[in-house]
Amino acid sequence: KAGVTQTPRYLIKTRGQQVTLSCSPISGHRSVSWYQQTPGQGLQFLFEYFSETQRNKGNFPGRFSGRQFSNSRSEMNVSTLELGDSALYLCASSFGGASDTQYFGPGTRLTVL
Amino acid sequence: AQRVTQPEKLLSVFKGAPVELKCNYSYSGSPELFWYVQYSRQRLQLLLRHISRESIKGFTADLNKGETSFHLKKPFAQEEDSAMYYCALRAGANSKLTFGKGITLSVRP
Repeated sequence: KAGVTQTPRYLIKTRGQQVTLSCSPISGHRSVSWYQQTPGQGLQFLFEYFSETQRNKGNFPGRFSGRQFSNSRSEMNVSTLELGDSALYLCASSFGGASDTQYFGPGTRLTVL
Repeated sequence: AQRVTQPEKLLSVFKGAPVELKCNYSYSGSPELFWYVQYSRQRLQLLLRHISRESIKGFTADLNKGETSFHLKKPFAQEEDSAMYYCALRAGANSKLTFGKGITLSVRP
């Protein structure tokens, strides 16, 4: 069974621009979660979508937003990029049940110049 | 709010030595605890979860509610255990995962 895929794998943007990242979950999975990974802060939860609805939200500013489509694919958008947004962005999918295992994608490396 | 603390950033041991990766948490309810592992150039993946009470790749972890800890242990480290390890907590059904900052385990030959 194919794993979680994320596109693009690498991105370079400049301050003030916006960016959209995409995540395709494992077939049958209805939950997609997004995380920001940095050397200093580790893995920080951004948000989770389940059946096209945001189910959980982390403590990130409104510049970070997401959505989920009917096929469970999810996108994450960051507007007005800042240098501090440079990070590895990971998505994880699961069936969405209370104790289901999350499966992670390879991540998108975003560099903001 | 829940918090996960991994007090050490790096643990370096020789092959065959015992390993203990520490994880402490703060949460007033009954959490679900996990250990995730990321090998070099690989994806983050689940290693084990406390509700399964199983040993994976020789690793075990016991939830100690009194000490609010979930330390990961292995009696004899192998070189292939070298990786980044993250402890994570889920505060309730369908709630988010909160991760610690991770620890790098280096097993020397």
